[in-house]
Amino acid sequence: EPEVTQTPSHQVTQMGQEVILRCVPISNHLYFYWYRQILGQKVEFLVSFYNNEISEKSEIFDDQFSVERPDGSNFTLKIRSTKLEDSAMYFCASSLQGRTGELFFGEGSRLTVL
Amino acid sequence: SQQGEEDPQALSIQEGENATMNCSYKTSINNLQWYRQNSGRGLVHLILIRSNEREKHSGRLRVTLDTSKKSSSLLITASRAADTASYFCATEGSNDYKLSFGAGTTVTVRA
Repeated sequence: EPEVTQTPSHQVTQMGQEVILRCVPISNHLYFYWYRQILGQKVEFLVSFYNNEISEKSEIFDDQFSVERPDGSNFTLKIRSTKLEDSAMYFCASSLQGRTGELFFGEGSRLTVL
Repeated sequence: SQQGEEDPQALSIQEGENATMNCSYKTSINNLQWYRQNSGRGLVHLILIRSNEREKHSGRLRVTLDTSKKSSSLLITASRAADTASYFCATEGSNDYKLSFGAGTTVTVRA
């Protein structure tokens, strides 16, 4: 069964360092998302992406964040200068339909900022 | 905020019992979805109900939607220990291109 894969599963970084989280969405999906979940808390929307551009982003997704689909298969989330409060589980998701469709989530990348 | 809010926050039941959790939201929606998350894992889609539907079934799951009250419920019948997980409702607003998730209900099924 097709699945969304994310790497790394866990990354530890120092405050101020750049981090890139990678995702390989399901191959025929067209819509891509990043969410994050701080331990034990709600799942927060960061950004949605379609046709090589951002469709919608949340207030969390400030200038420190960027997304890219560099090669037609990977979908990356970059945090330029990490802060302690960026520590969270980051989930990538993809869907075939942009609206009224179910999202398929990866297993997540746990980011720990020290 | 469009986010759904689940109630209760936590639920502990005996195997074989039914589990019911509720979700409320604030603005008009295209659809409402329920997801499941096992501890430390990704979210898995369970069921989607459209704004013009009132009830939907999938196996042991039953979802209702009341758009006049802006609320939904998820019923898991004949629960099993393997149903232990967090359950999240997620709404897609009429003008959104994203799903907004609530804080979830943690369900523990005791063997």
